[in-house]
Amino acid sequence: DQQVKQNSPSLSVQEGRISILNCDYTNSMFDYFLWYKKYPAEGPTFLISISSIKDKNEDGRFTVFLNKSAKHLSLHIVPSQPGDSAVYFCAATGSDEKLTFGTGTRLTIIP
Amino acid sequence: ETGVTQSPTHLIKTRGQQVTLRCSSQSGHNTVSWYQQALGQGPQFIFQYYREEENGRGNFPPRFSGLQFPNYSSELNVNALELDDSALYLCASSSYREAFFGQGTRLTVV
Repeated sequence: DQQVKQNSPSLSVQEGRISILNCDYTNSMFDYFLWYKKYPAEGPTFLISISSIKDKNEDGRFTVFLNKSAKHLSLHIVPSQPGDSAVYFCAATGSDEKLTFGTGTRLTIIP
Repeated sequence: ETGVTQSPTHLIKTRGQQVTLRCSSQSGHNTVSWYQQALGQGPQFIFQYYREEENGRGNFPPRFSGLQFPNYSSELNVNALELDDSALYLCASSSYREAFFGQGTRLTVV
């Protein structure tokens, strides 16, 4: 039972354009959501998070949107840069602070 | 730089052996969690320690065990290694619901 789903295994975006990564969840007990970026042979790096009491959180080029009724969140990267090429994981947690991850989306920025 | 360091970075073990992985967590974080990431998958929660007590466990057998020490560093022990235990093992220390990961230990079981 996969409680956090990232349905796009890969995404290619032209440099300078917007990258949109999507994530869906099924567990209504999740109330905090995080995005991580991962390069090969490294641990995940925290990017941005959002609490369920908000519908948007912005940090520089990164914005996360949360649609609770649809149980859907998305990460927007604007403008996309070559260094953004990596695997992006969506994660969700509840009061137990245990992270449940999606399977990841490999983002490739085309120069 | 997350302040979370793991050792060793790579390890090769034989099926049936035992392994201990170590994690030094970020200063001020009293919660540490361990995750297993198999190839092509997202990290899977193994267990969490809070102030030296196990505070939640994922769907992993008892041969996966852990410890947290008074300085909040931690160990993951795996007994009777199986080929399917080959994975990247990640340690994360957390504060205020945001978890920060180490670089991981790549374990290969042959």
